[in-house]
Amino acid sequence: AQSVTQLGSHVSVSEGALVLLRCNYSSSVPPYLFWYVQYPNQGLQLLLKYTTGATLVKGINGFEAEFKKSETSFHLTKPSAHMSDAAEYFCAVSLYSGGGADGLTFGKGTHLIIQP
Amino acid sequence: DVKVTQSSRYLVKRTGEKVFLECVQDMDHENMFWYRQDPGLGLRLIYFSYDVKMKEKGDIPEGYSVSREKKERFSLILESASTNQTSMYLCASSLGTGVNEQYFGPGTRLTVT
Repeated sequence: AQSVTQLGSHVSVSEGALVLLRCNYSSSVPPYLFWYVQYPNQGLQLLLKYTTGATLVKGINGFEAEFKKSETSFHLTKPSAHMSDAAEYFCAVSLYSGGGADGLTFGKGTHLIIQP
Repeated sequence: DVKVTQSSRYLVKRTGEKVFLECVQDMDHENMFWYRQDPGLGLRLIYFSYDVKMKEKGDIPEGYSVSREKKERFSLILESASTNQTSMYLCASSLGTGVNEQYFGPGTRLTVT
């Protein structure tokens, strides 16, 4: 079974500073990896996803993530934090292997706090 | 834009009641999902469906059932609600086969007293 670990339930950065949210996964097969964001009182919105191909994935709102198979990691970064980035961020994995759909396994989430 | 709507934002029910949570999507997606979200636990998959009348158990199906009679509608049923089912419930949908983006509804916060 797959699992996802997000290091740090809360991360605080200053406005304009680098954002780094960590995600490690365990999987016996090549995974599909996702980052979702949840703003207060809203559902989840996809930031970016990795399926195959280029290991550096660019998403919306200036975020990007790099798939590192050797480290089983998929960390999320943004060069310069903005106040509007304050939200809950979830890393997720799917071990889809064909056929119908597959649900996602989510990490426990990281609450990103932006200090003015 | 894909729209996933859930019948209620907030719901309060008593222990032992039968509870229906409804989810509707308007983009003709084949796949629909139910998750519950709890603080410190993230989202956990309850059930999903890849076609009308088809369902698959997720990671935590105990105490829940689902119904999908029409492609656009996916219902989560708590046969006899218990206090440990107090949670935020999120519905999602996605297109076709493969690993496609899941679009989420705003959630239903269910309190069982």
